[in-house]
Amino acid sequence: EAAVTQSPRNKVTVTGGNVTLSCRQTNSHNYMYWYRQDTGHGLRLIHYSYGAGNLQIGDVPDGYKATRTTQEDFFLLLELASPSQTSLYFCASSDARDWGYEQYFGPGTRLTVL
Amino acid sequence: GDSVTQTEGLVTLTKGLPVMLNCTYQTTYSPFLFWYVQHLNEAPKLLLKSSTDNKRTEHQGFYATLHKSSSSFHLQKSSVQLSDSALYFCASYYNQGKLIFGQGTKLSIKP
Repeated sequence: EAAVTQSPRNKVTVTGGNVTLSCRQTNSHNYMYWYRQDTGHGLRLIHYSYGAGNLQIGDVPDGYKATRTTQEDFFLLLELASPSQTSLYFCASSDARDWGYEQYFGPGTRLTVL
Repeated sequence: GDSVTQTEGLVTLTKGLPVMLNCTYQTTYSPFLFWYVQHLNEAPKLLLKSSTDNKRTEHQGFYATLHKSSSSFHLQKSSVQLSDSALYFCASYYNQGKLIFGQGTKLSIKP
């Protein structure tokens, strides 16, 4: 079964702080994604990547940067965190060879910006 | 544009009753549809998927049929259990490796 891990699992920071969320997948998937989950909005795509060094903009990218350093590792960066970025963040991966790009999710990172 | 609509935000049912969670979609591409389930404090996990018109797909007692004529992929179960309490997301393949998710339906089962 696909394995996606995230760290940290919980993070508290202050407004204006720097935060880096990490994601690693060990399934040799080429696609990786960052989502935020908020009540009433479901899962919204922030950024995604189809390989090391590649970055694609998602649907809610403002205030976020991302970097894919290797096939396995995808990072989400909040350089000036704001309270509106308090959310539950999920990383996911998929394989372009898989039917319909089925996505496998990590356990999530709960971020609180005070 | 492409979209996925789940009309119910919260469904509350008594154990043993049937359930249907609605999902309709708009897509530019030939549809690939998914249902994901997310239990409390867990990651979303795939429950069902389909791209075949009018074919019922089943898993863990849940079932759904993709109807391209009505752009629907409703999730059903004949008898819900307490363990079915969770958040359910419908999703559709979008493009360039992306899925578009509905807003989610919270299913709450009472004893």
